[in-house]
Amino acid sequence: EPEVTQTPSHQVTQMGQEVILRCVPISNHLYFYWYRQILGQKVEFLVSFYNNEISEKSEIFDDQFSVERPDGSNFTLKIRSTKLEDSAMYFCASSVHGTGGSQPQHFGDGTRLSIL
Amino acid sequence: GQNIDQPTEMTATEGAIVQINCTYQTSGFNGLFWYQQHAGEAPTFLSYNVLDGLEEKGRFSSFLSRSKGYSYLLLKELQMKDSASYLCAVREETDKLIFGTGTRLQVFP
Repeated sequence: EPEVTQTPSHQVTQMGQEVILRCVPISNHLYFYWYRQILGQKVEFLVSFYNNEISEKSEIFDDQFSVERPDGSNFTLKIRSTKLEDSAMYFCASSVHGTGGSQPQHFGDGTRLSIL
Repeated sequence: GQNIDQPTEMTATEGAIVQINCTYQTSGFNGLFWYQQHAGEAPTFLSYNVLDGLEEKGRFSSFLSRSKGYSYLLLKELQMKDSASYLCAVREETDKLIFGTGTRLQVFP
């Protein structure tokens, strides 16, 4: 069964450094998402992306965050200058449909980001 | 505002039936999803409801009442591997998912 893949599985970075989290969505999916989950807390929406542009972003997704689809397969999340509070599990998700439709968002296994 | 409530923890015995409730108050509604999440892993899709009523999928069923802002996930014939967190998520008019805090289910032999 096709799946969303994320790399790396764990990233340790010094505060203030830039990180890029990578995702390969399911090949026929058109809608892409990033969510994060701070340890012990709920999954939170960051950003949605369709047709090579951001569809929606949350308050968390400030100027330090950016997303890109540099080629036909990868979808990346960049944090420009990391803060301690960015430490979390970051999940990439993709879906065939956006609004409407019964097809769910499929999640990758996540990247655990630890900021020191 | 957005609010999705689930019990924090539940316990049950292998072979039993358990019902996990979810109540929601969101500015819009375009479907409710249940996901299973084992510790340290990705949420995996279990079920979807957009119309009132019961959806059955093997050992798992999910119910929705839109007028009451209420859903439940029913797990039958519980197995040890069902020990996990169960996440209720609402899709509003846009396609983002709003998640509850999840219910941690422990199944005992």
